[in-house]
Amino acid sequence: EPEVTQTPSHQVTQMGQEVILRCVPISNHLYFYWYRQILGQKVEFLVSFYNNEISEKSEIFDDQFSVERPDGSNFTLKIRSTKLEDSAMYFCASSREGGELFFGEGSRLTVL
Amino acid sequence: AQSVAQPEDQVNVAEGNPLTVKCTYSVSGNPYLFWYVQYPNRGLQFLLKYITGDNLVKGSYGFEAEFNKSQTSFHLKKPSALVSDSALYFCAVRALRSNDYKLSFGAGTTVTVRA
Repeated sequence: EPEVTQTPSHQVTQMGQEVILRCVPISNHLYFYWYRQILGQKVEFLVSFYNNEISEKSEIFDDQFSVERPDGSNFTLKIRSTKLEDSAMYFCASSREGGELFFGEGSRLTVL
Repeated sequence: AQSVAQPEDQVNVAEGNPLTVKCTYSVSGNPYLFWYVQYPNRGLQFLLKYITGDNLVKGSYGFEAEFNKSQTSFHLKKPSALVSDSALYFCAVRALRSNDYKLSFGAGTTVTVRA
């Protein structure tokens, strides 16, 4: 069964460092998303992406965040200068048009 | 705007008893409703969805959910809970006619099924 894969599973970084989280969406999906979850609590929307551009972004997704689809398979989330409060579980998801979202297993980011 | 409320932080039931996890929604127009389950240190796993049609939707692992338009609710149910159903459950919504397919999630309900 096709699945969304995310790397790394866990990353520890120092405050102020850049982090790139990687995702490989399901191959026939065209809509991509990043969500985050702090301490097993609410799942917060960050950004949606379609046709090589951002469809919508939340207030959390400020200038420190960016997304990219550098090739035909990867979808990345970059945090330029990490802050302590960026520590969270980051989930990538993909979907067909209007369909349910399929989530990866997440990347745990710890900022020290 | 679209939002979901899960009024219970925790639900505790004995194995074999019925399980209900509550969800109410707010959306402009007709809703597209989902339930997801999250096991510890795992991603969100799709359980079921409602688009249109029959108000009772059946999903994975014996779960079902009932859409009630007048009460703007979409409660998740399982007739006989298992210890393995212990997990975090999320309700989610988006407007059916939205041009953006992102989902808005509730705060989650922790289900504990005791043996």
